Amino acid sequence: DVKVTQSSRYLVKRTGEKVFLECVQDMDHENMFWYRQDPGLGLRLIYFSYDVKMKEKGDIPEGYSVSREKKERFSLILESASTNQTSMYLCASSSGATKGSPLHFGNGTRLTVT
Amino acid sequence: GESVGLHLPTLSVQEGDNSIINCAYSNSASDYFIWYKQESGKGPQFIIDIRSNMDKRQGQRVTVLLNKTVKHLSLQIAATQPGDSAVYFCAEADSWGKLQFGAGTQVVVTP
Repeated sequence: DVKVTQSSRYLVKRTGEKVFLECVQDMDHENMFWYRQDPGLGLRLIYFSYDVKMKEKGDIPEGYSVSREKKERFSLILESASTNQTSMYLCASSSGATKGSPLHFGNGTRLTVT
Repeated sequence: GESVGLHLPTLSVQEGDNSIINCAYSNSASDYFIWYKQESGKGPQFIIDIRSNMDKRQGQRVTVLLNKTVKHLSLQIAATQPGDSAVYFCAEADSWGKLQFGAGTQVVVTP
């Protein structure tokens, strides 16, 4: 089974702090994604990556950046956390072609910014 | 813009009955669709997928139906069990292969 591991289940940070969310997958997947999930809004794509050192903006990239230095690891960075970034963050990975591959998700990191 | 949506935010189903969860999509160019299940405290879990060259696909106790004419997707769960209580999401792949998710339907299984 694919395993996508997010380093923290819960995080509490202060406004203005720099926040790192880490994600590791163990199936040698090329594609990795970061979503945020908010009540009533479903999953919204923040950033994704199709290969090492490659990144693409998703639908809501403002206030975020990402890093993919190794194939198995995809990091989401909040340069200066704000209260409107309080959310559930989900990392996902998928294999092969950019189209037609199901995403495998981690269990999420619930971030609270105070 | 294009969107994926669900008709009902909450579906209450009696244990043992069949469940039907509906999803409307508006991007006629989408050719890949997925259903996910998300239990409380967990990430979404892949259930079943379907490509646009099919109109039906079956898995274990689940069936996905695709009606391209009316841009409608449904997930049927046979003999619903308490463990089926969760939020269910449909998603479609856009022209770049990125998934667009609907807001989700909460399924509540009652005894």
